[in-house]
This record gives sequence, structure tokens and C-alpha cells, in this order.
Amino acid sequence: GQQVMQIPQYQHVQEGEDFTTYCNSSTTLSNIQWYKQRPGGHPVFLIQLVKSGEVKKQKRLTFQFGEAKKNSSLHITATQTTDVGTYFCADPSSGSARQLTFGSGTQLTVLP
Amino acid sequence: ETGVTQTPRHLVMGMTNKKSLKCEQHLGHNAMYWYKQSAKKPLELMFVYSLEERVENNSVPSRFSPECPNSSHLFLHLHTLQPEDSALYLCASSFGYEQFFGPGTRLTVL
Repeated sequence: GQQVMQIPQYQHVQEGEDFTTYCNSSTTLSNIQWYKQRPGGHPVFLIQLVKSGEVKKQKRLTFQFGEAKKNSSLHITATQTTDVGTYFCADPSSGSARQLTFGSGTQLTVLP
Repeated sequence: ETGVTQTPRHLVMGMTNKKSLKCEQHLGHNAMYWYKQSAKKPLELMFVYSLEERVENNSVPSRFSPECPNSSHLFLHLHTLQPEDSALYLCASSFGYEQFFGPGTRLTVL
């Protein structure tokens, strides 16, 4: 089945540093979603990107969808301890629109 | 709180036991999902129930049996599980493209 590769698997940053996680697919994606899961918590929807080259911002978070719609990134500016968690990209293109294929996630640790 | 509840939150069972996980949503959503989350593995979609279809991940063993009696309730029936089935089982629901996850059931199979 279709897979989305996500890197890095782990990232430790000092508070105030920036952070980026990348999601790559070998096939063209119709759209892509991002979720955040806090330690001990459950995934929470952040955003969906649909258009080629789309860039969306949510406060310190910037989401990008590649021009070819084969990759996406999530960038956090000036990380805070509240940003700790695992960030997943998810591809809703597999089979019916109801099915999500999740990336392996990037686990972010923010050191105070 | 996302409006999706799961019970029990923790479950320890032997390999010969039969148990059921329950998920409930009152968000007016029309699709519900079961996911498995194991350590060091991506979230794995197990089953989808929606108005249009029921979708099964063919790699899910038959010892997992879903039941969706209505659009608000979803069950996962478990029997003769294996230790490798120990994981966090997450329920989710949706109306559009955004999925709302429950807190999960942490399952340990001894």
C-alpha cells in the first residue's frame, strides 16, 4: 500500500530553537493532514493541506505542501515546552477518503 | 475532551479471555474507526465504518472482530489474543476529513 515516510524519527531541541519534520511520498498525494500527539495522549488534528505549494500558518507552526504534492513539512519557530509530543503526517489518499495512512511520526523533545 | 469516549481505559487480559472495547461519540459523526498504536510502529488503521462502507485492513487477524450497531457506538471484540497484540487501541470518528480521537484503551495481553 501507499506509504508516507517521515523524518526524523526523533528530535531534541533546546527551547527557543526551531524544529522541522518532513513527510515524503513516492506517489502524488491528493492532500495531507498533520496531527499532534502529546505524551500519554491521543492524536489531535492540526491541519489539512490540499493545494500544490500551499503554505498555512498557525501561530508558530508553518505547514507546507510541496509543488509536486509528494512532500510536506511542519516547521515550528522558537519551540516551547508545550510543543513536546509526536507529530504525524497522514495521507488520506489510500483507498476511500475515509482511510488515513499515518507516517511513523517525529517525536519532539524540547529541553528547557 | 474531543467528544469521543473509550472504555475501559486500561485492560489486562490473558490469552484465553474474551473482552470487548467500547467507543462512543455524540458528535453527529457518520464514520468511526479503530486504530492500533504499538511502540515504534506507525498508527495502523484496523477498521472503518461509515455510511457508505465497512473497510477492513486485511492484515488484521480474525481474533479482532468489530461491531458497529449504530453511528454513535463502536465495539472491538477480542478473543484468544497474543502478547504481541498489547498496544494502545484508539477509536476515532469523523464527519468530514478531520478525525477526532478518543483517549484510547491500553491493552496488555499476558
